[in-house]
Amino acid sequence: EDKVVQSPLSLVVHEGDTVTLNCSYEVTNFRSLLWYKQEKKAPTFLFMLTSSGIEKKSGRLSSILDKKELFSILNITATQTGDSAIYLCAVGRGWGAQKLVFGQGTRLTINP
Amino acid sequence: SQTIHQWPATLVQPVGSPLSLECTVEGTSNPNLYWYRQAAGRGLQLLFYSVGIGQISSEVPQNLSASRPQDRQFILSSKKLLLSDSGFYLCAWSVLGTEVNEQYFGPGTRLTVT
Repeated sequence: EDKVVQSPLSLVVHEGDTVTLNCSYEVTNFRSLLWYKQEKKAPTFLFMLTSSGIEKKSGRLSSILDKKELFSILNITATQTGDSAIYLCAVGRGWGAQKLVFGQGTRLTINP
Repeated sequence: SQTIHQWPATLVQPVGSPLSLECTVEGTSNPNLYWYRQAAGRGLQLLFYSVGIGQISSEVPQNLSASRPQDRQFILSSKKLLLSDSGFYLCAWSVLGTEVNEQYFGPGTRLTVT
């Protein structure tokens, strides 16, 4: 059975801290790994990773994939209160219409 | 730019009543379309996906069905709702093709079955 596991499930830090969120997976026909940020409603797209060892970066957020060890990390540096959200990891499998398998999410709370 | 709409935003329905949720996409043609459900305290689960008009694939057996009557319209339905159908329903789209493409989500519909 396809499985995506995120850790920790919940994390509370102070503004300015750096956080690392983890995502491990066991999925057949792996195609991609995606990170999303979910605040009140719809998840918003952050990164898509398909190759091992190549870091993707956007401002204070960065992510990297290890296809040998089957995991990915999402780093957020100099956290701000606006980073408080649920961070979702999803793995895309199959060709064409990708069927995403989601982890349960990490709830990140940034305290001022 | 592309926009995805869902309605209604919230819905409270009694057990046994029918359901129709609608999703439309603007600014793109021939998208792949998806329906997900997010139950309380759980991750998103893929329910249906579609690669074209009238082409629906179901991921999990359930009380729901989907239809795609037009290229950019995706409908989620039920003839008789169950309590377990409560949740947050999200529609998503991606570019059609065999390339790896990210999915973009609509604002969602929060369904409460009473």
